[in-house]
Amino acid sequence: DADVTQTPRNRITKTGKRIMLECSQTKGHDRMYWYRQDPGLGLRLIYYSFDVKDINKGEISDGYSVSRQAQAKFSLSLESAIPNQTALYFCATSDFPDNLRGMNEQFFGPGTRLTVL
Amino acid sequence: QKEVEQNSGPLSVPEGAIASLNCTYSDRVSQSFFWYRQYSGKSPELIMSIYSNGDKEDGRFTAQLNKASQYVSLLIRDSQPSDSATYLCAVNMEHVFGNEKLTFGTGTRLTIIP
Repeated sequence: DADVTQTPRNRITKTGKRIMLECSQTKGHDRMYWYRQDPGLGLRLIYYSFDVKDINKGEISDGYSVSRQAQAKFSLSLESAIPNQTALYFCATSDFPDNLRGMNEQFFGPGTRLTVL
Repeated sequence: QKEVEQNSGPLSVPEGAIASLNCTYSDRVSQSFFWYRQYSGKSPELIMSIYSNGDKEDGRFTAQLNKASQYVSLLIRDSQPSDSATYLCAVNMEHVFGNEKLTFGTGTRLTIIP
């Protein structure tokens, strides 16, 4: 079974609709992240959470909100979807940083392809 | 603005040759560096991490880090058609321990020619 799962894998919706993307992980990591990927722009961080009670805005949080329901679950919402939110969305997880090495590796889910018409 | 720069390519390399991918970053204090491989339409897959100056080898892959010059590179020896993908460089440029997060380059598209 995959360590990081995302649902749905594909979604087509209309402008103005509310959309929720879900992420679950079995890796036991405290840290979870939401990214979007657009052609030519690379991966950009939307929101991240270092534990259940911690939520932080990333580089491009406008138009998005998140909820950390449990250590293993982190969901991303688009309250009123617009066409320029059409993108590939990835969830990722990582362990707490190592004292000697610093940041630990991030592991990605399979992604959700979202199209807003 | 903290940045990670990669040549977008495409980089074409004959099968069996060495592919060399380069990445530069803007923050001199960065400590953690990662290379991800991403096939079209798929999620990024971690292939190398490096934290200290010098070379780190793992199978056909070698990561090279030079903090003084602020660049990190990835060498792929004996390139195979299955290595054709986009390679993403990622750097942690946060200075506060416990607040780490990654900044990604836009990726280099690599094509291995049979």
